[in-house]
Amino acid sequence: DAGVIQSPRHEVTEMGQEVTLRCKPISGHDYLFWYRQTMMRGLELLIYFNNNVPIDDSGMPEDRFSAKMPNASFSTLKIQPSEPRDSAVYFCASSLTPGGRNEQFFGPGTRLTVL
Amino acid sequence: ELKVEQNPLFLSMQEGKNYTIYCNYSTTSDRLYWYRQDPGKSLESLFVLLSNGAVKQEGRLMASLDTKARLSTLHITAAVHDLSATYFCAAQGGKLIFGQGTELSVKP
Repeated sequence: DAGVIQSPRHEVTEMGQEVTLRCKPISGHDYLFWYRQTMMRGLELLIYFNNNVPIDDSGMPEDRFSAKMPNASFSTLKIQPSEPRDSAVYFCASSLTPGGRNEQFFGPGTRLTVL
Repeated sequence: ELKVEQNPLFLSMQEGKNYTIYCNYSTTSDRLYWYRQDPGKSLESLFVLLSNGAVKQEGRLMASLDTKARLSTLHITAAVHDLSATYFCAAQGGKLIFGQGTELSVKP
């Protein structure tokens, strides 16, 4: 299996622009997670889906952030409009039903820079 | 609310030495994960600890879990440079809550 796939790997944009990050989970995994990592705040869970349905979006920082999962093999995280404080590495992870041995597998991340 | 704290946050070791990273969590969690992250890279799963008293070993790393003390440890034996990375623990409390990470640097 190719693992979790994210695109783009790097994104540089200007403040106010729309940014869309993409994720393809491991085939067969029914949970998908979006995380943000910064030096100041560490690793934060933004939102997670189960069977394409958002379960907990309490970590989404504000209305500028939105996430969708239209099918089992694709998810997007959108920021509109983007701000410099959104600069971070965004990770997507997937797993089978959490718990037991079912650890989360992380994608390579998207490094976002908002100028 | 589940909180996870690691210490130390920074650790500089000499090759060949032993050391332990501690992971404390605030409320009941019966499973604990350890991840490794190399600079500029993603997180790689190291260990999954499922029950009280669980011990897992891989090479020079050994992880253990004490659910009564709400404590997990990651012990490093005879450190080598290749172990230099940031190590995260994470506790399952509904969702996975990560510690701050321990940045380990192993020097010759």
